[in-house]
This record gives sequence, C-alpha cells and structure tokens, in this order.
Amino acid sequence: SQQGEEDPQALSIQEGENATMNCSYKTSINNLQWYRQNSGRGLVHLILIRSNEREKHSGRLRVTLDTSKKSSSLLITASRAADTASYFCATVFAGNMLTFGGGTRLMVKP
Amino acid sequence: EPEVTQTPSHQVTQMGQEVILRCVPISNHLYFYWYRQILGQKVEFLVSFYNNEISEKSEIFDDQFSVERPDGSNFTLKIRSTKLEDSAMYFCASTPGATAYGYTFGSGTRLTVV
Repeated sequence: SQQGEEDPQALSIQEGENATMNCSYKTSINNLQWYRQNSGRGLVHLILIRSNEREKHSGRLRVTLDTSKKSSSLLITASRAADTASYFCATVFAGNMLTFGGGTRLMVKP
Repeated sequence: EPEVTQTPSHQVTQMGQEVILRCVPISNHLYFYWYRQILGQKVEFLVSFYNNEISEKSEIFDDQFSVERPDGSNFTLKIRSTKLEDSAMYFCASTPGATAYGYTFGSGTRLTVV
C-alpha cells in the first residue's frame, strides 16, 4: 500500500502558534496533496506539490516534500481558531486516484 | 466559487434496498469520482469516471456498485442491495483534467443502512 500516514494524529495549540503536520508514504508518487475537513463536512483542497518540487506556499500554508524520505509536511503559520479541522495528505501514484492518510486532528484554542 | 453539489445530505435505508446518491460536478470538469469514508476510518477511493466510462475502480467497487452520468450535469452512484457495512459518508468530486489537479469535493451524503 502506498497510503500516506500523518503524524501526529491529534494536535492542540494556542491561537497564533504554528502547527506542523507530517505525512509519510511508501511508494514513489506523482504528486501529493493536502486537504482540510471540518467536522462532518466535505474535503477542501489546500495545496498540491509535484514530485519534482520541494516546497510550496499558499498564504499561511507551507508544504515541503522530501521524496528521498518519502515524507511531506504541512505548516500552518499564525494559526487561528478557524483552522480547527482535520488535515489529510493524499498521494497520487498513477492516474488521478487519491490515496488518503488517516489525518491529523488540529485544535486551535482561542 | 463553483461547487460540487450532492443530494441528499442524509439517507437512511433498509438493508437490501437500492440507493442512488446524486452529484452535480463542476460544469467544465471532465473527471468525476466517488470516495467514501466509514466513520473513524480513512477516506477510500471507489471509482473514477471519464468520457462516460469508468477509468479506474477499487476493490470496494464491486458488482453492487454502479455509476452513471444520465444527463449533462448529474453523476450518480447506485448501490443495488445495501449492506450494513455500506454505511459511510460518500463524497463526490471532480477535476478539470487527468493529473496534477486538486479535487473539488462535495459536502457528502451520509448513508446509514439499518
């Protein structure tokens, strides 16, 4: 299985702090994507990083990819209470099928 | 912002009954998908659909499942004879192209089989 696995499984921080979530996977990939899911809601695409890229930024989000270690990290800077959600990495090996990890539950306390 | 719309948001059905979950993908997207998330478990791929054909499917997507694009806007998932273990959140998604696109997911249909 080439499923991504996130750690930590749960993270609790204060508003204003940075949150870092990690994802590991097992096989070579075409790209890796991060999604957010608010409780009971759909998945929202945050950022896509291709296998030949090492870092991408989008607003307060920073994603890194290390294909030699088969790992990625998502950094949310200056977190807000509204960032409270579950965050999932998903890998694409071939075609366009996403393989999701188990997610990190982030709680940002006001 | 264009959205993927799913109906119904909740569906309760008796075991053995057929259910149809409906989705309206984003209008200029070409690839459509169904995923499911059993409570407390990972989001799992079911099927992808392009040009009126299934392009990929997982082992979960057995003969009990089928997909259809009955008109120019709707994309449906049918489960012929539901089982208790089909209870899950079902997500529809679409992308404009084949690779390296982020998905746009709908809000999901929570299916409960009793």
